[in-house]
Amino acid sequence: GAGVSQSPRYKVAKRGQDVALRCDPISGHVSLFWYQQALGQGPEFLTYFQNEAQLDKSGLPSDRFFAERPEGSVSTLKIQRTQQEDSAVYLCASSAMGDPNSPLHFGNGTRLTVT
Amino acid sequence: SQQGEEDPQALSIQEGENATMNCSYKTSINNLQWYRQNSGRGLVHLILIRSNEREKHSGRLRVTLDTSKKSSSLLITASRAADTASYFCATVPAAGNKLTFGGGTRVLVKP
Repeated sequence: GAGVSQSPRYKVAKRGQDVALRCDPISGHVSLFWYQQALGQGPEFLTYFQNEAQLDKSGLPSDRFFAERPEGSVSTLKIQRTQQEDSAVYLCASSAMGDPNSPLHFGNGTRLTVT
Repeated sequence: SQQGEEDPQALSIQEGENATMNCSYKTSINNLQWYRQNSGRGLVHLILIRSNEREKHSGRLRVTLDTSKKSSSLLITASRAADTASYFCATVPAAGNKLTFGGGTRVLVKP
């Protein structure tokens, strides 16, 4: 079956623009995570959903960042009024179980460049 | 903030040699996971070791865990050029709900 799919693969935004990043998890996966990865660094946790419920958004860097998963499948990460420091790869991951200790399946990410 | 730290940050070896990288973490955990990331791609889960396990094998991978020292090691035996990637350890704190990654070890295997 298909893996985790993210779109767009690359996004260039002018500073101040809003962007929306999409994640299609593996069908039937309960848990969905968003991570931010700066160049040469490990992924940093942003937010976590179990089905449609956003259980943890402690990693979102500011109130310009917003994530949703309204029907418990596809998720969108929205960044308003983008800043240069938002430039990074945004990774989505899903797992079959609601257990946070389960292995994660990652998409290939969206590389966001803010100019 | 990152829970784990990998050592070394970068490693360059010849094909056929073994590659060893280490991970240290800060808090009590339920399990520790290792992931691989090829350039421009997402992370791929390699192996999970539970807190009550000391060693685990999967193909050419060997993982150890020392909870008293809060450290783990990943050994790749008989490395291949295709093993060139970044390797990350990741943990969920015993009282937590999110997988937290270290900074990674970048491994280059020269043919």
